[in-house]
Amino acid sequence: DQQVKQNSPSLSVQEGRISILNCDYTNSMFDYFLWYKKYPAEGPTFLISISSIKDKNEDGRFTVFLNKSAKHLSLHIVPSQPGDSAVYFCAASGTSGSARQLTFGSGTQLTVLP
Amino acid sequence: KAGVTQTPRYLIKTRGQQVTLSCSPISGHRSVSWYQQTPGQGLQFLFEYFSETQRNKGNFPGRFSGRQFSNSRSEMNVSTLELGDSALYLCASSLGQVGDTQYFGPGTRLTVL
Repeated sequence: DQQVKQNSPSLSVQEGRISILNCDYTNSMFDYFLWYKKYPAEGPTFLISISSIKDKNEDGRFTVFLNKSAKHLSLHIVPSQPGDSAVYFCAASGTSGSARQLTFGSGTQLTVLP
Repeated sequence: KAGVTQTPRYLIKTRGQQVTLSCSPISGHRSVSWYQQTPGQGLQFLFEYFSETQRNKGNFPGRFSGRQFSNSRSEMNVSTLELGDSALYLCASSLGQVGDTQYFGPGTRLTVL
């Protein structure tokens, strides 16, 4: 049972345009969400996070939106650059018990075309 | 600050052997978590250590174990290796409180032949 889902395995975007990566979750106990970027044979690099008390968090070109009622979050990258090409994972954690355990989605391969 | 370091980066073992992987967290971080990444299962949580105690455990068999030392460095051990244990093993460190961001190391690529 996948508690965190990234339904698009891949996404291609032109340089300079907006990239939108989506993530859905099913566990209502999740209240902290993160996005990581990963290159092959490297560890994930933290990009941005959001807690459930917010609906938006922005950091430079990266913005994460959270829609709690729909159990949906998205990562916007504006403008997209060729160096953004990588696999993007969303992850979630809860507030109690195994709160510090991250549950990951399956990832979306983003390709930014020059 | 130096990031999370993992050694070795690459390892080749044969079925039935055991292996120990090492992780040094970011200075000041007391929590170390271990994850396994495979093409079929994605990124899955193994366990988390905080102040030398296992605090959380994922759904992996007892062949997977770990420990943490007083300097927060952690080791992960896999005994009686199986072909399916071939994976990228990642460790992540954080301050250890709920909501703290986990920062990942580069991983150890384990190949079991």
